[in-house]
Amino acid sequence: NAGVTQTPKFQVLKTGQSMTLQCAQDMNHNSMYWYRQDPGMGLRLIYYSASEGTTDKGEVPNGYNVSRLNKREFSLRLESAAPSQTSVYFCASSGDRSYNSPLHFGNGTRLTVT
Amino acid sequence: KNQVEQSPQSLIILEGKNCTLQCNYTVSPFSNLRWYKQDTGRGPVSLTIMTFSENTKSNGRYTATLDADTKQSSLHITASQLSDSASYICVVTLQTGANNLFFGTGTRLTVIP
Repeated sequence: NAGVTQTPKFQVLKTGQSMTLQCAQDMNHNSMYWYRQDPGMGLRLIYYSASEGTTDKGEVPNGYNVSRLNKREFSLRLESAAPSQTSVYFCASSGDRSYNSPLHFGNGTRLTVT
Repeated sequence: KNQVEQSPQSLIILEGKNCTLQCNYTVSPFSNLRWYKQDTGRGPVSLTIMTFSENTKSNGRYTATLDADTKQSSLHITASQLSDSASYICVVTLQTGANNLFFGTGTRLTVIP
């Protein structure tokens, strides 16, 4: 039982390049999320998917797109990377949107945009 | 404005000592408060959840308290171990809304031998 798996672990991009961050969970969770974590700031929600086939914007969606490929997988795409997108990206899942369900996080993708 | 503030930002303690981390919030209407532990290079892991009616909850050497009247929570770590070195993040959940989680910036705890 791997939980939430993110790939790649590290990535360096040049400004303007594109890439897709992959996330998969094996806990049969309905809800999945993408967060970014920057020094001195709390985790900020980029996009989330309450269930297969639905996605919604979070607090900081600009410059990103997502795809909920199936119940297990939720990918995050940067179409044209900018230095401001240098961050650590975390994917998370939860059993449902109920307020007592904890988030299960992956171990992050460390992205540097030069 | 819904906010979660944690203090101190960082803390260094000797192995075996106790410590207390603080979380103050202005999130309303409140649903629950959760503490997460984040080891370096890893994702956060849930330690404990506090709902409105709970004052104290323990998870091994971790004890969380909640005062819903003053909107304060604390995480007390007893007999610290080197493996307790991590960031501890306070997360408050709103009762309503789609984006209903509010994250603190965390307290970085370092336990030294």
